Amino acid sequence: EVQLVESGGGLVQPGGSLRLSCAASGFTFSDYWMNWVRQAPGKGLEWVANIKRDGSEKYYVESVKGRFTISRDDAKNSLYLQMNSLRVEDTGVYYCARTYGTGRSSALYLWGQGTLVTVSS
Amino acid sequence: VLTQSPDFQSVTPKEKVSITCRASQNIGTTLHWYQQKPDQSPKLVIKFASQSISGGPSRFSGSGSGTDFTLTINSLEVEDVATYYCHQSSDFPYTFGQGTKLDIK
Repeated sequence: EVQLVESGGGLVQPGGSLRLSCAASGFTFSDYWMNWVRQAPGKGLEWVANIKRDGSEKYYVESVKGRFTISRDDAKNSLYLQMNSLRVEDTGVYYCARTYGTGRSSALYLWGQGTLVTVSS
Repeated sequence: VLTQSPDFQSVTPKEKVSITCRASQNIGTTLHWYQQKPDQSPKLVIKFASQSISGGPSRFSGSGSGTDFTLTINSLEVEDVATYYCHQSSDFPYTFGQGTKLDIK
């Protein structure tokens, strides 16, 4: 079955760290750009970061630059998001998403179920 | 920046519904539309402004290029009640519109 499954969310204090994982199955993971998108409670979607097929290019939204790091392990068919110096405003559901095609500008076609990150004291 | 209108719309079954998305700069056709139902992940309904998704309902269509885009739902069905988002993948950072929530009148 073609799917993405996120894990690693939880409750963390401001200033803390979390590492999210996304396990891919049912397709050739190494062929696709991969993305993280988040959604604060009751709010809209916000793109967070993405990574090129070979990991050579990474892009981030300004608000997480220097704090979050996206990475991938194609041998394990896995995507990661290391989140440091977490803030209350980072609270939300984090989705990993695969592009429709293999190009950078492709739409986000395959989404995981999301993992909830709560930053609170 | 992507700006959707309206933010909210009450709809009736079989109605034709249009949602617009305006970009603050020319993004060509790198504009995509998603449907999100409560407690579910987003679902891609239109890619690259006007391309339908294989296996998706034919009542969804998209149009536009440059800065102005429209998602149209012909003959809306109750299952289409959801929040719809536009998304640009032209330049980093990628951005989403604020969302348009449809509910049944």
